[in-house]
Amino acid sequence: QVQLVQSGSEVKKPGTSVKISCRTSGYSFGAYGLSWVRQAPGQRLEYMGWVNTYFGFPIYGQGFGGRFVFSLDTSVRTAYLEISDLEAGDTAVYYCARVESPYGDSNIDYWGQGTRVTVSS
Amino acid sequence: QSVLTQPPSVSGTPGQRVAMSCSGGNSNIGSNYVSWYQQFPGTAPKLLIYKNDQRPSGVPDRFSGSRSGSSASLDISGLRSEDEAHYFCAVWDDSLSGRLFGGGTKLTVL
Repeated sequence: QVQLVQSGSEVKKPGTSVKISCRTSGYSFGAYGLSWVRQAPGQRLEYMGWVNTYFGFPIYGQGFGGRFVFSLDTSVRTAYLEISDLEAGDTAVYYCARVESPYGDSNIDYWGQGTRVTVSS
Repeated sequence: QSVLTQPPSVSGTPGQRVAMSCSGGNSNIGSNYVSWYQQFPGTAPKLLIYKNDQRPSGVPDRFSGSRSGSSASLDISGLRSEDEAHYFCAVWDDSLSGRLFGGGTKLTVL
């Protein structure tokens, strides 16, 4: 069955970096996109962008360029989200989610369990 | 408008039918497919409805979706206690070139 398994919770200090992984299984990796979604405490889900896993290029949503980097390791079917220069406002649960086609605007059908990132001095 | 609006809460008694709305605009619900998700606290969202009214295999037919203009609705019939969860809508927005999520509706089964 389709599974997206994310790395565990992180507590980081402001100004440092964090790298979250999303290991996938149960489907053809390159046939589906992978999206990243953020949910800050008490806020709605927020689209961060997606990665075309076939060609390997990322598309960033509005407000998520610069400090946010999506990457892939296709050999282990894993996607990564790296956030640099962390700020308190980055405190959130980060989800990876499968996009049901190679195109970013298609439906999200499966989600990872979420990774909680806490930024605190 | 590039925002999806959902009522914060709805409630019903076991066996009852409830409906929850998702209101958007021409650049999102008015021109793209709507999905609905169920989420329990601390767990990953689960897809309930896609392409406005389609159910993935394994989702009971008590759950149904519809779209009219720039609004969508999720209906749950034969309400059960295990349906108590958060429900949110999602849709691609052409103006933003990004996915929008509703703020979510908390369903309480009384």
